Amino acid sequence: GAVVSQHPSWVICKSGTSVKIECRSLDFQATTMFWYRQFPKQSLMLMATSNEGSKATYEQGVEKDKFLINHASLTLSTLTVTSAHPEDSSFYICSAHSGGYEQYFGPGTRLTVT
Amino acid sequence: GEDVEQSLFLSVREGDSSVINCTYTDSSSTYLYWYKQEPGAGLQLLTYIFSNMDMKQDQRLTVLLNKKDKHLSLRIADTQTGDSAIYFCAVASSGGSYIPTFGRGTSLIVHP
Repeated sequence: GAVVSQHPSWVICKSGTSVKIECRSLDFQATTMFWYRQFPKQSLMLMATSNEGSKATYEQGVEKDKFLINHASLTLSTLTVTSAHPEDSSFYICSAHSGGYEQYFGPGTRLTVT
Repeated sequence: GEDVEQSLFLSVREGDSSVINCTYTDSSSTYLYWYKQEPGAGLQLLTYIFSNMDMKQDQRLTVLLNKKDKHLSLRIADTQTGDSAIYFCAVASSGGSYIPTFGRGTSLIVHP
């Protein structure tokens, strides 16, 4: 099956700093990528939809200036958490969509803000 | 919008069958998925079913769809300890641009 990678798999940063998370589709071109946030024992919350070459579409309640998304190529999308605070600590998961009905998920990135 | 509901926990004995249930609200849902998430990992697509199907079987996995009741179930035969994980039901429709809506996940615990 298709493979999606994320980097880093976990990161610890200090409050006020910015963190960039990469999502790559390794063996297919992803027309659309999605960013999710997952709190412990909770479901996935869709944050934004990222389309290659255009601006991301953010879900209601998600601060676009805080969570910057760039989808510069058909195989790479990045999520930058700017001026991170402890409440941004979470598990961030990306998925990639190749145009069919399946989404392929990355392994997730655990962000801890101290 | 779409609501997807699942029971939060299921405990079974190794070798027994597990049945995880899911209900949804949007009758126009077209694609229905089951994902597995192991601790600290992303989601793995286990299986899916289209709305024009009633049942799909894939090795130990059987998916049943009751469109009238908007009810989806996943049956795992001969459940093993390695099946312990969180199972997410997700549904997608053209009205939602085929972006899946996820349930909260069912935590399956398999006892030896």
